Amino acid sequence: DTAVSQTPKYLVTQMGNDKSIKCEQNLGHDTMYWYKQDSKKFLKIMFSYNNKELIINETVPNRFSPKSPDKAHLNLHINSLELGDSAVYFCASSLHGGELFFGEGSRLTVL
Amino acid sequence: AQTVTQSQPEMSVQEAETVTLSCTYDTSESDYYLFWYKQPPSRQMILVIRQEAYKQQNATENRFSVNFQKAAKSFSLKISDSQLGDAAMYFCAYRSLTQGGSEKLVFGKGTKLTVNP
Repeated sequence: DTAVSQTPKYLVTQMGNDKSIKCEQNLGHDTMYWYKQDSKKFLKIMFSYNNKELIINETVPNRFSPKSPDKAHLNLHINSLELGDSAVYFCASSLHGGELFFGEGSRLTVL
Repeated sequence: AQTVTQSQPEMSVQEAETVTLSCTYDTSESDYYLFWYKQPPSRQMILVIRQEAYKQQNATENRFSVNFQKAAKSFSLKISDSQLGDAAMYFCAYRSLTQGGSEKLVFGKGTKLTVNP
């Protein structure tokens, strides 16, 4: 049983397209996150949701829209993809104050 | 805002030997967690060890131990008896526990560890 699962694991798409990445956790955690890892491996928080409520939005372009239908799911939709959006996107979850449990990452390549 | 600095972009160690990865952080908070995560080529982020700031005792997990110096804001990771499977990127991370503090994990830029046979 995968604790934090995200799909798809790989996306290759053209500039200007729209894409979504889905994330689900079965750990009963109340907080979920999206992190972006760039080509230099730097991990930066994008969004955080607690019980379906947005609590962190780290100056991400509004082409990125997270949606949390329930506290076990956090999806990421990206409009009008740009070359600079190419990265690995990680979903994660945690209990308050605890460590983060990460999904396997979704590698997005924008051509 | 909290920052985490890993000053060694790359390190290498011989199999069976010991290596220490450095991490310093900047915060004005007194209550927080520190973590080391490992990212092997498979890309998966794996928790190696965690340290609560209020605990004076250094955390240990099998061959992995930390040297936590709260006053110096230093949190180094020691890997003993290095194995080929330890080769990975290692990330130091900080998490606030202060009421009203941010729930996010702040990461350092990582140290790439190579283990030589």
